[in-house]
Amino acid sequence: KAGVTQTPRYLIKTRGQQVTLSCSPISGHRSVSWYQQTPGQGLQFLFEYFSETQRNKGNFPGRFSGRQFSNSRSEMNVSTLELGDSALYLCASSTTRTGTIGELFFGEGSRLTVL
Amino acid sequence: AQSVAQPEDQVNVAEGNPLTVKCTYSVSGNPYLFWYVQYPNRGLQFLLKYITGDNLVKGSYGFEAEFNKSQTSFHLKKPSALVSDSALYFCAVRGASGSSNTGKLIFGQGTTLQVKP
Repeated sequence: KAGVTQTPRYLIKTRGQQVTLSCSPISGHRSVSWYQQTPGQGLQFLFEYFSETQRNKGNFPGRFSGRQFSNSRSEMNVSTLELGDSALYLCASSTTRTGTIGELFFGEGSRLTVL
Repeated sequence: AQSVAQPEDQVNVAEGNPLTVKCTYSVSGNPYLFWYVQYPNRGLQFLLKYITGDNLVKGSYGFEAEFNKSQTSFHLKKPSALVSDSALYFCAVRGASGSSNTGKLIFGQGTTLQVKP
């Protein structure tokens, strides 16, 4: 069974640009969550999508947005990039099967560098 | 508000010795607690979780964790450390609410485990 796939793995942008990151969850997983990982702030929850609906959002500015498609694939977008947006962006998928609460399957991340 | 604290930035242990990585939590109601591990340049991997029941839970790669409600702790343990256990370990908590929060975990800052030969 293929794992969570994130693309691109690495990217470099300049301030003011925008970026779109993609995540393909494990087949059959309908929930996709996004996290930002930085050395200073650690792992912070961005948002979660389930069946194309955002059902949870973290404390990030409106420049951070996301969506989920009917095949459960998800994208997140960051507009007007700032230096502080440099981070590893992790996507995680999960099922809602009984007994699997909190068991997230993470991709390897997209490392964004903003210059 | 829910929170997780990992008081040690780094834990050093010799191979073959027991290891403990500490975690304390603050959450209203009954907690759902988790441990994840991250190897360099990789995503996180689920190790184990406590939802209810036995306070000692066993997980992957020989790890176990002990839930202590009175001390609000959920320490990760392993009887005999391996060099390959060296990684970054995260404790996480989720409030015992409905399924709408399935993917939202609150993570601690992480503890780097160094196992030396």
